[in-house]
Parts: sequence; structure tokens; C-alpha cells
Amino acid sequence: DADVTQTPRNRITKTGKRIMLECSQTKGHDRMYWYRQDPGLGLRLIYYSFDVKDINKGEISDGYSVSRQAQAKFSLSLESAIPNQTALYFCATSERTANQPQHFGDGTRLSIL
Amino acid sequence: AQSVTQLGSHVSVSEGALVLLRCNYSSSVPPYLFWYVQYPNQGLQLLLKYTSAATLVKGINGFEAEFKKSETSFHLTKPSAHMSDAAEYFCAVIKSGGSYIPTFGRGTSLIVHP
Repeated sequence: DADVTQTPRNRITKTGKRIMLECSQTKGHDRMYWYRQDPGLGLRLIYYSFDVKDINKGEISDGYSVSRQAQAKFSLSLESAIPNQTALYFCATSERTANQPQHFGDGTRLSIL
Repeated sequence: AQSVTQLGSHVSVSEGALVLLRCNYSSSVPPYLFWYVQYPNQGLQLLLKYTSAATLVKGINGFEAEFKKSETSFHLTKPSAHMSDAAEYFCAVIKSGGSYIPTFGRGTSLIVHP
């Protein structure tokens, strides 16, 4: 089983719909992150959480919200989806120390029509 | 603000040729440096990391990278490309001190020709 699991893997929906992307991890890491990936723009940080009671905005948080339900679960919501939120979304986890890498899920491909 | 520059959004090589993917960072203090690889329909996977021990770092699949403080660079190399190396490669930097949030480069797509 994957250490970082994202559901769904693919989603097509319409403008204005509310969407939730879920992420769960079995690595026991405190830190969790949500990124979006767009061609030519690399990875951009949406939100991150350092523990269950900690939520922080990233560089592109407008239009998104998150919930850290438990150490192992971190969900991303689009309250009212718009077409320019069509992208590949990744969840990642990491340990507390700076010299440790992030561990990524396989992504959710989201298309908003 | 810290930045990471990957020169070349696409790099094309022939199978068996040297692979060189460039990464430069801006930081007054040597940061922690990482290279990740992303295969189609997958998330990013760690290739290697520099954490202030040896300046030449060996990673998986025959890749290595050299930290050069004077050039603020951390270029990724592989002596002989395989078709299976075709993927997207990302350089990432974590600044010493602070919140330890990584900054990613925009990625370089490696194309390997037979």
C-alpha cells in the first residue's frame, strides 16, 4: 500500500460545484502539504499543516480551504470550483527536520468544465 | 526571497549520452538541496539530497549531483542516459532556519531519444 494516498485520482466536475480532495498517510509524519502543478509552473504551495491544530496558507490559497482531521488526514476543498483551478493536485508529507525530503502521493487530476 | 532556477524547461539527449540538468539557487547561507523525479501519472520521488556532508551526492538510478557553493549550483548528472530516465525533474531548496518549507524549481523535462 502507498504511504501517501490521494482520493480520487481523477475528477471531472462543473463550475460552481464544491469539491473535496482527500489525503491520508501511514508514514507518521506531522507535516502535510497541498500543492498544485501546472505545466511550466512547477509546484505551487496551497496550504500546509505542521500538526493537527496548525493550518497555514501557502502562496496560492485563494479559492481553497483545508481541514486537518487527524495526524494522518489532510483534505483540500474547493468551495466553488472555477475552470482555472483545473490542475494536478498533490499531497505531501515530511518529518519536522529541515534535511528530510517530502513524500508525495500520486496526485489527483482535476478538470473543471 | 529564496528562489530556485532550473535552466531549460526541456532537455533532449540520446540514449547513452551524458545527462546534465541545471539548478541554481539564491541563498546567502548554504541551504538543504534536493532533486526529485516525476514519472508520468506519479507523484514526485526523491532522487538525492545534499545536507552539508559530502559535496558530491550519489542518488538512485545512477544519478549524482555536486554542490558548488561558489556557483550556488546543484546540477544533476548521469553519465549514460537510459530510455527509462525520461521524466520530469525538480530541484528543491530548503533554507537553513525558518519554517523549512521547500521552494521548488519549475522543473525540467528530460527527453531521451533512441
